[in-house]
Amino acid sequence: QSALTQPPSASGSPGQSVTISCTGTSSDVGSYNYVSWYQQHPGKAPKLMIYEVSKRPSGVPDRFSGSKSGNTASLTVSGLQAEDEADYYCSSYAGINNLGVFGGGTRLTVL
Amino acid sequence: QVQLQESGPGLVKPSETLSLTCTVSGGSISTYYWSWIRQPPGKGLEWIGYIYYSGSTNYNLSLKSRVTISVDTSKNQFSLKLTSVTAADTAVYYCARGSKWNDPDFDSWGQGTLVTVSS
Repeated sequence: QSALTQPPSASGSPGQSVTISCTGTSSDVGSYNYVSWYQQHPGKAPKLMIYEVSKRPSGVPDRFSGSKSGNTASLTVSGLQAEDEADYYCSSYAGINNLGVFGGGTRLTVL
Repeated sequence: QVQLQESGPGLVKPSETLSLTCTVSGGSISTYYWSWIRQPPGKGLEWIGYIYYSGSTNYNLSLKSRVTISVDTSKNQFSLKLTSVTAADTAVYYCARGSKWNDPDFDSWGQGTLVTVSS
């Protein structure tokens, strides 16, 4: 199963919005509404930010939102804050017979 | 709130077996799917595989011939064994909790443990 494709980097100034894409195929992102997004600060474990495309776990600020169109999912961070600077990974369910897959990660820089 | 903690040797020799245990506290290991995920230094995440509390497993095809994940419900622990390791297996290994079969949706993670493969 191939990894999902993410841009290696993204950036924005405080207060701005930034969107990170995650492109898969019709075998994963395109066929299921089970896309998750993780935030990872250096030296820390990943933290679930979005699940099932657009749902936020308790405690995740509503500045973080997710969406999907076709084979591409997106994470939007609105009102950027310094603490949002981190690596972000997407993941997707890939069917009953296949282990799900991760994206390669995107480093978000707050300028 | 459930907590996960990895434990095991931080250094393994090439060709030997990497063994790690994840202890779950604050909740029962029964129900949920329990995963191992690794991250080579400076690289992305790779799902190694998972086990359901009943013992059902699913592994990453690229590692399937070398991986075994097991569970001990009496100790609220699950374990990873990876045989015939090489330098390419050097990584931070995380244990994590999922709620659905084959779905990489992990709501709780251990802090991770660095395993270095070197002689």
